[in-house]
Amino acid sequence: QQPVQSPQAVILREGEDAVINCSSSKALYSVHWYRQKHGEAPVFLMILLKGGEQKGHEKISASFNEKKQQSSLYLTASQLSYSGTYFCGTLPLAGGTSYGKLTFGQGTILTVHP
Amino acid sequence: DAGVIQSPRHEVTEMGQEVTLRCKPISGHNSLFWYRQTMMRGLELLIYFNNNVPIDDSGMPEDRFSAKMPNASFSTLKIQPSEPRDSAVYFCASSSGTPQYFGPGTRLTVL
Repeated sequence: QQPVQSPQAVILREGEDAVINCSSSKALYSVHWYRQKHGEAPVFLMILLKGGEQKGHEKISASFNEKKQQSSLYLTASQLSYSGTYFCGTLPLAGGTSYGKLTFGQGTILTVHP
Repeated sequence: DAGVIQSPRHEVTEMGQEVTLRCKPISGHNSLFWYRQTMMRGLELLIYFNNNVPIDDSGMPEDRFSAKMPNASFSTLKIQPSEPRDSAVYFCASSSGTPQYFGPGTRLTVL
């Protein structure tokens, strides 16, 4: 089942912060975050693994609450280049982990204005 | 290193015609995924392969869709016959575990 992202859209000014949430109805092994700019392919940002391991960029961080089956992506001091659609992709605990089959959320559109 | 390569980048065809989309995964990656993206349905997984073997094709919408991976460096997604509702951007992605790396996509328009 598809994870649910919120909010659906966010409008910011440069320098402001944003949080994007991703919730799943299934127990998760990992959560993957991607950003897609208009007309381009999704680009991997970071992965959150069960057990708390985290990877990613400096100004873009994320958390993973295993009990709540939720992940949040934090964008601090936003830049114009942060604009795009952010997707979370989830990997459930049961089955599929060995092949990396992700189920993606519907996306959150982030727009950063000067 | 070259990323995932897809061809063609754009395809315009008429209803009823056969369409073949091509993908070359990143060298050394053993998993390949085909996705379809539309405004209405978002990013949908159609089929994925591991070591050239189809693992899960439950996302393939109809028998009109078929996919093959004859070797580790090439995969095709075929639609026959094509219909206007197949219009979408089709992405191929590859991985060696995680993460997945996406190709630039093929924008398909069926008139």
